[in-house]
Amino acid sequence: AQSVTQLGSHVSVSEGALVLLRCNYSSSVPPYLFWYVQYPNQGLQLLLKYTSAATLVKGINGFEAEFKKSETSFHLTKPSAHMSDAAEYFCAVTHNQAGTALIFGKGTTLSVSS
Amino acid sequence: DAMVIQNPRYQVTQFGKPVTLSCSQTLNHNVMYWYQQKSSQAPKLLFHYYDKDFNNEADTPDNFQSRRPNTSFCFLDIRSPGLGDAAMYLCATSTGTAYSYEQYFGPGTRLTVT
Repeated sequence: AQSVTQLGSHVSVSEGALVLLRCNYSSSVPPYLFWYVQYPNQGLQLLLKYTSAATLVKGINGFEAEFKKSETSFHLTKPSAHMSDAAEYFCAVTHNQAGTALIFGKGTTLSVSS
Repeated sequence: DAMVIQNPRYQVTQFGKPVTLSCSQTLNHNVMYWYQQKSSQAPKLLFHYYDKDFNNEADTPDNFQSRRPNTSFCFLDIRSPGLGDAAMYLCATSTGTAYSYEQYFGPGTRLTVT
């Protein structure tokens, strides 16, 4: 079975500070990992995905994530937070088989203060 | 713009009164998904259609049904809503079900059960 754990349900940073959102996964097969963002009253939007190519993945809005197999982690980072980054962030895992569901973590709410 | 549309955005129903939520897409995608997202929780896949083929998740209650009359539309029917079914319901689409296919989410329908 696959699962993801997002450490910290709430993260608060100041504008311009580093953003670090943590995600650890569990998978018995090679995982494929995703980060989604959800703004209030909106659906989820894909930020980036890891599909066994480069371990450092760059996404939209200046976000990136690094796949570390030894640590079973896929943490999301952004060097400098903007107010517009305030949202809910979900890490998700699946594997390379058609019809396999995305398994989401419980989410991390990012707050950005001025 | 091509998109995933969900109607209504907010739905109130009474305990035990059947309710139908609607999703339409202009992306011409083969796959349509329904997710349930309860407050402060991760989205959970209920079922998906690949074209006309229906795929139910093993732990989806029988109270939840779905219809896909054509490529563009998919409906979620809750036959006898309980208080525990109050949630955000998200529709998503993709061109395929393998990991490589990005899922595009609609804005969701927030269901309240009184």
